[in-house]
Amino acid sequence: GAGVSQSPSNKVTEKGKDVELRCDPISGHTALYWYRQSLGQGLEFLIYFQGNSAPDKSGLPSDRFSAERTGGSVSTLTIQRTQQEDSAVYLCATPRSGSHSGANVLTFGAGSRLTVL
Amino acid sequence: QKEVEQNSGPLSVPEGAIASLNCTYSDRGSQSFFWYRQYSGKSPELIMFIYSNGDKEDGRFTAQLNKASQYVSLLIRDSQPSDSATYLCAEDSGYSTLTFGKGTMLLVSP
Repeated sequence: GAGVSQSPSNKVTEKGKDVELRCDPISGHTALYWYRQSLGQGLEFLIYFQGNSAPDKSGLPSDRFSAERTGGSVSTLTIQRTQQEDSAVYLCATPRSGSHSGANVLTFGAGSRLTVL
Repeated sequence: QKEVEQNSGPLSVPEGAIASLNCTYSDRGSQSFFWYRQYSGKSPELIMFIYSNGDKEDGRFTAQLNKASQYVSLLIRDSQPSDSATYLCAEDSGYSTLTFGKGTMLLVSP
């Protein structure tokens, strides 16, 4: 695709439910990032993919969070047993150059706004 | 722990004035620095990046980098109401990801 697509754009769920957030990156881009932005906060790094592997998942806040990527393309972020503090906008991004090299200019998707009641 | 610090603001300036946004960072190994603009309810979009000491100009925007002081700034000349947004500073220390500050809200009044 021409840009980074994320779905759903909005998700309201009840505490304790599982949610899946999807990112469809720019076609051919091997590097992919997930960030989280809570209300009034900056961007918090969650996980980085290079192809289908995740060399850096240090930002995942707990074992309730997991992510995978298949075919070097679509990525899914899964949050199990959601808590109210998981409410945030979850942003997916790819480097403008496609792979992680040089100045790491990121292009962001529109985000998935998660609200946990 | 890499940190990027920004004043949360809001920074209020009148239309036509110069807006000065500042950022400090903790990692002396940081190589590149980025300014992103984020309108309310939207995702961040890149304004500029800089990796050499000194100034870099692009239209009404000038980024300034001082690695000795670990300080980055963004100047917006002839500020317009459409510049009202949150400005995020980020650094790339050569590891796998960017570290972002919490952002400074800029309000430009007509």
